[in-house]
Amino acid sequence: QKEVEQDPGPLSVPEGAIVSLNCTYSNSAFQYFMWYRQYSRKGPELLMYTYSSGNKEDGRFTAQVDKSSKYISLFIRDSQPSDSATYLCAMSASGANSKLTFGKGITLSVRP
Amino acid sequence: DAGITQSPRHKVTETGTPVTLRCHQTENHRYMYWYRQDPGHGLRLIHYSYGVKDTDKGEVSDGYSVSRSKTEDFLLTLESATSSQTSVYFCAISPGQGAGEQYFGPGTRLTVT
Repeated sequence: QKEVEQDPGPLSVPEGAIVSLNCTYSNSAFQYFMWYRQYSRKGPELLMYTYSSGNKEDGRFTAQVDKSSKYISLFIRDSQPSDSATYLCAMSASGANSKLTFGKGITLSVRP
Repeated sequence: DAGITQSPRHKVTETGTPVTLRCHQTENHRYMYWYRQDPGHGLRLIHYSYGVKDTDKGEVSDGYSVSRSKTEDFLLTLESATSSQTSVYFCAISPGQGAGEQYFGPGTRLTVT
C-alpha cells in the first residue's frame, strides 16, 4: 500500500459546482497536511496548510483532516474556470528533517 | 514563487554530459529541496539541505549530487546525464524545522537526448 493515495482523475465539473478532492494515507505519524495547486507548466503553489485534525477555511476553499480515518479532503465552493489545475495533497510527520510525502495529483477542469 | 528562481528554465543535453541546475532563494530559509516530477510518479524528493554544507539523500538520489555553499544557493548536478533523467525539476524552500510548508520554484525542464 502506498503511503499516500489520491484519486487519479481527471475530474471535470461545471462552473459553480462544489468540488471534493480526497487523499488517504497509511502513516499514522503524519501530523501536517497540505494541499498544493499546480497550473500547467508552473511550480506547485501552497493552497492550504493544516496541523492535525479539523477543518480550515480560506475563502472558497476548505481543508478537512480526519486522522482517525486517515483521510483528508479539499472542498472548493462555487468553482471557477480559474480553479482548473492539478491539485496535490502532501503530508509529513513532525520532527527535524522530516520530509513531505505527496499524492500523485488530480487534474480538475471547471467548464464555463 | 516566494523569492525562488531556478536556472536554466529549459535545457536539452546529450547522454553522458554533466548538467548543473541552480536554485536561488532570497528568503533566507534554512531548508532547501530538489524534486523531480514525472507523469505517473508525481513529485519525488532527490536531495535536500538543512543548512550550509548539510545535505541528505531523498528517495531517488542515484545519479545526482548536490552542494550548498551559501544559504541562498542549492545546486543539483547530474554527473553523467541519462535519458531516464529527462524530467521537470523543482526546487523548494521551507522556513520551518523539518518538512512543513514548502514553497516551490518555477521548475527546470530538462531533456536528455
